[in-house]
Amino acid sequence: DAEITQSPRHKITETGRQVTLACHQTWNHNNMFWYRQDLGHGLRLIHYSYGVHDTNKGEVSDGYSVSRSNTEDLPLTLESAASSQTSVYFCASSGLVGHEQFFGPGTRLTVL
Amino acid sequence: DAKTTQPPSMDCAEGRAANLPCNHSTISGNEYVYWYRQIHSQGPQYIIHGLKNNETNEMASLIITEDRKSSTLILPHATLRDTAVYYCIVRVAGQTGANNLFFGTGTRLTVIP
Repeated sequence: DAEITQSPRHKITETGRQVTLACHQTWNHNNMFWYRQDLGHGLRLIHYSYGVHDTNKGEVSDGYSVSRSNTEDLPLTLESAASSQTSVYFCASSGLVGHEQFFGPGTRLTVL
Repeated sequence: DAKTTQPPSMDCAEGRAANLPCNHSTISGNEYVYWYRQIHSQGPQYIIHGLKNNETNEMASLIITEDRKSSTLILPHATLRDTAVYYCIVRVAGQTGANNLFFGTGTRLTVIP
């Protein structure tokens, strides 16, 4: 069955370190998204991609970057982790029309 | 971007219908209404969407008012597993709307035994 996975599921890192969160989907979807979720804020869009080599900034993109070298993967990189980036991160994907986004199980990131 | 207003929390007795309201008074003609839910510690799950007409699927029904300024998600027979945060979202479909998927804080539905 097609699915979307995230790794790692839990990560603890130190301030200033570079961190990369992986997202892999087997739906063959063109659209992929990264969100973060914090108490009191719901889900906020970080970056998104409409296809290979396409990336776009979302609502809260500062301090994050993504690259799309193939259809299946959209890794999220924190260039220099900050305590404010402690959060739960969700990856999602959707087809061209995008009525339904499929979400991964999430990665809980703690920056000490 | 059209935004939505939802009550922060609601309770529903197990086996009864849960009716979750959503106001979206600034919705544009080409914007759809979407409902997602998030069960504790899991990723959000798509429930249903609609443009103008009422919609029904195996999970829920979506009732959209004629002026499209509000809608109601109906879970016909709520179970304890329906306890979750429910998000009402309005957005344009397709790639042009990808950056308009705004989740807000949703309604926390608690189904009571």
